[in-house]
Amino acid sequence: DVKVTQSSRYLVKRTGEKVFLECVQDMDHENMFWYRQDPGLGLRLIYFSYDVKMKEKGDIPEGYSVSREKKERFSLILESASTNQTSMYLCASGAGGPREQFFGPGTRLTVL
Amino acid sequence: DQQVKQNSPSLSVQEGRISILNCDYTNSMFDYFLWYKKYPAEGPTFLISISSIKDKNEDGRFTVFLNKSAKHLSLHIVPSQPGDSAVYFCAARARMTTDKLIFGTGTRLQVFP
Repeated sequence: DVKVTQSSRYLVKRTGEKVFLECVQDMDHENMFWYRQDPGLGLRLIYFSYDVKMKEKGDIPEGYSVSREKKERFSLILESASTNQTSMYLCASGAGGPREQFFGPGTRLTVL
Repeated sequence: DQQVKQNSPSLSVQEGRISILNCDYTNSMFDYFLWYKKYPAEGPTFLISISSIKDKNEDGRFTVFLNKSAKHLSLHIVPSQPGDSAVYFCAARARMTTDKLIFGTGTRLQVFP
């Protein structure tokens, strides 16, 4: 079974804090993705990575950065959290090609 | 510009009946389409997919239909069960991309007894 795990299910942070969201997959997938889900907006791609140390911006990268030092791990960083970054954050991994992506359980982040 | 659209935010269906969820797209370069199901406070789980070279794919109670000329796909669930109550997202992949998926905004399905 493919497993994608995320470091926290729920997180509460203060405005201006630096926030790290960690994601680990165990299927040796090349590709990893970070999305956020907001009501009425669906899933929007923040960043993705198709190889170690490689990253590409998604549709809404502003205010975020990422790190992929190892193939199995993909981190999302909020340099200075703001209230409009309160959201559900979802990590996914995929083998590439016309195949599905596998999602982690999500992190519900609240920025106060 | 929303390339994948789910125009119905919600759908309510009686148990045992058919549920039909719809999705429209605008990009003719999409070559692979997927449906995901999401329960609250959980990540989306893959349900079923279809390649653009097919017009139908079936897996148990779930069937996806693709109409390329209309740029429309639909998910049929027969018979619907209360456990199917969730948010359903359609997604599409464009040919010659780095495997990005474009997601619709989701349809909340409620199956009542």
